[in-house]
Amino acid sequence: GAVVSQHPSRVICKSGTSVKIECRSLDFQATTMFWYRQFPKQSLMLMATSNEGSKATYEQGVEKDKFLINHASLTLSTLTVTSAHPEDSSFYICSAREDRQNSPLHFGNGTRLTVT
Amino acid sequence: GENVEQHPSTLSVQEGDSAVIKCTYSDSASNYFPWYKQELGKRPQLIIDIRSNVGEKKDQRIAVTLNKTAKHFSLHITETQPEDSAVYFCAASRGAYGGSQGNLIFGKGTKLSVKP
Repeated sequence: GAVVSQHPSRVICKSGTSVKIECRSLDFQATTMFWYRQFPKQSLMLMATSNEGSKATYEQGVEKDKFLINHASLTLSTLTVTSAHPEDSSFYICSAREDRQNSPLHFGNGTRLTVT
Repeated sequence: GENVEQHPSTLSVQEGDSAVIKCTYSDSASNYFPWYKQELGKRPQLIIDIRSNVGEKKDQRIAVTLNKTAKHFSLHITETQPEDSAVYFCAASRGAYGGSQGNLIFGKGTKLSVKP
């Protein structure tokens, strides 16, 4: 079945530094990928829609200059958390769907970000 | 935009009993309704989904019903087992039939505990 790979699974960084998270569709092409954020015991909140070859679409309240998204190929999207702060600590999950009708969404394993 | 409400937030049942989780949505244009199971620290796993042209779908012990008029859909798990214990999320999307509108809006989740 379709697999979405996300790296790293865990990262600890210091306040003020930047962290890049990769999301890859391993055996299918994905024109569109989605980035979600999940706080402990809460639901998945859509942050942005990543579009291959064009700018990402951000949800209301999500700072595009803080959460940089790059979707340079049909199999890779990256999320960079810039100038990270402790409040950015969260579980970030990407998802992708195959470029065909009625394709379900496949999720990556998620990235646990801790900012100290 | 779409808003998905999910109830209950926690549900405890005895092994062998049935469990029902209900969701309502606000966007009448939504046409795809998946259910995800998420174990602690892991990615959401799709367990069943339903599209707006179908009223009910069943897969072994799991079934989903959809009432488009009332804009609500429900997950039914019969003969529950301890391994069914997890957090379950409903979601809604306009993107069942292709295109980039595949972003899912999630409910807040239901923590299901199945006691042996």
